[in-house]
Amino acid sequence: SQTIHQWPATLVQPVGSPLSLECTVEGTSNPNLYWYRQAAGRGLQLLFYSVGIGQISSEVPQNLSASRPQDRQFILSSKKLLLSDSGFYLCACYDRDRGPYGYTFGSGTRLTVV
Amino acid sequence: LAKTTQPISMDSYEGQEVNITCSHNNIATNDYITWYQQFPSQGPRFIIQGYKTKVTNEVASLFIPADRKSSTLSLPRVSLSDTAVYYCLVGDGSYNTDKLIFGTGTRLQVFP
Repeated sequence: SQTIHQWPATLVQPVGSPLSLECTVEGTSNPNLYWYRQAAGRGLQLLFYSVGIGQISSEVPQNLSASRPQDRQFILSSKKLLLSDSGFYLCACYDRDRGPYGYTFGSGTRLTVV
Repeated sequence: LAKTTQPISMDSYEGQEVNITCSHNNIATNDYITWYQQFPSQGPRFIIQGYKTKVTNEVASLFIPADRKSSTLSLPRVSLSDTAVYYCLVGDGSYNTDKLIFGTGTRLQVFP
């Protein structure tokens, strides 16, 4: 079965600092990969998704960017963090061969921008 | 993707049956209805999926009327550990969906 490794679990960063969150996947090949953000007490917001290496689709315009340098690696970045970037960031992958059971989420990173 | 509407929150007590209804008036012919559960500081996990009538697994039941414009997730005899946010999603059943769009979900609080 597929496993997602996401780190760090928590992160406190000052406004204006850069950000790099990494997500790696095991147990599957050529998955769809996703970055979601969840503000406190809110639902999940899809930020980016990727169907293959180097292919990134952005759902929400913001100061964040994503990259997929390898099949099972997905990176979320920012050059200058804003206070509004605080939230719970989740990486997810989808294995098409497993149907509705194919979505797996990472353990998340709680980012606080101060 | 069809838009879904759910109650923002629900309260229940241990041992009771909980029914959470989701409206999806614009559901398409090829769309399936899927429910996810999310605990605090964790990612969502799949609960159940259905297309029409009734689906039951070891965790929950899903009731879908003939017009498929709504669905009801039924949790039998809830416990404190069922306190979570429940999301209803509607999407293509070909399993090649490019993205999973979550609404605000229903926050279920189970009391002793």
